[in-house]
Amino acid sequence: KAGVTQTPRYLIKTRGQQVTLSCSPISGHRSVSWYQQTPGQGLQFLFEYFSETQRNKGNFPGRFSGRQFSNSRSEMNVSTLELGDSALYLCASSLTRDRGLEKLFFGSGTQLSVL
Amino acid sequence: QQQVKQSPQSLIVQKGGISIINCAYENTAFDYFPWYQQFPGKGPALLIAIRPDVSEKKEGRFTISFNKSAKQFSLHIMDSQPGDSATYFCAASPSGNTPLVFGKGTRLSVIA
Repeated sequence: KAGVTQTPRYLIKTRGQQVTLSCSPISGHRSVSWYQQTPGQGLQFLFEYFSETQRNKGNFPGRFSGRQFSNSRSEMNVSTLELGDSALYLCASSLTRDRGLEKLFFGSGTQLSVL
Repeated sequence: QQQVKQSPQSLIVQKGGISIINCAYENTAFDYFPWYQQFPGKGPALLIAIRPDVSEKKEGRFTISFNKSAKQFSLHIMDSQPGDSATYFCAASPSGNTPLVFGKGTRLSVIA
């Protein structure tokens, strides 16, 4: 069974640009969560989607947005990039709604560098 | 506001020694406490988890100790091996579909 797949693996952008990251969850997983990982702050929750609906949202500015498609694949978009957006963006999928968001399966992440 | 405080930030342990990482929380609604292990270039992976109805859970060389009254939990790695060198994150969440809140991580280095 394939794991969580995130593309691209690395991305270099300049300030002011926008970026779209993609995540394919494990087959059968309907929940997709996004986290931002930085050396100083650890993992910070961005948002979570279940059945194409945003169910939870973290404390990030509106420049960060996402969506989920009917096949559970998810995309995350960051507009008007800032230097501070440089981070590893992790996507995680989980199995069922009833079990909540406890057991997360993470992808290897997209390393975003903003110059 | 950080809801889960993790310490130490980094840890160096001799091979065969015991690694101990501590976490503290404030939210009494938390009732699920997992630990994730992350190797360089990889995403975190669930290592072991505990619920407040037990004070300890052991899986192989990994043990979680939980102190509900102190609102603290810790990860013990017995007989630490170089292959255990990784970043460890504690996390917590209330029941239901609420996102996990992670600590800032502990970078463990096990040296021979």
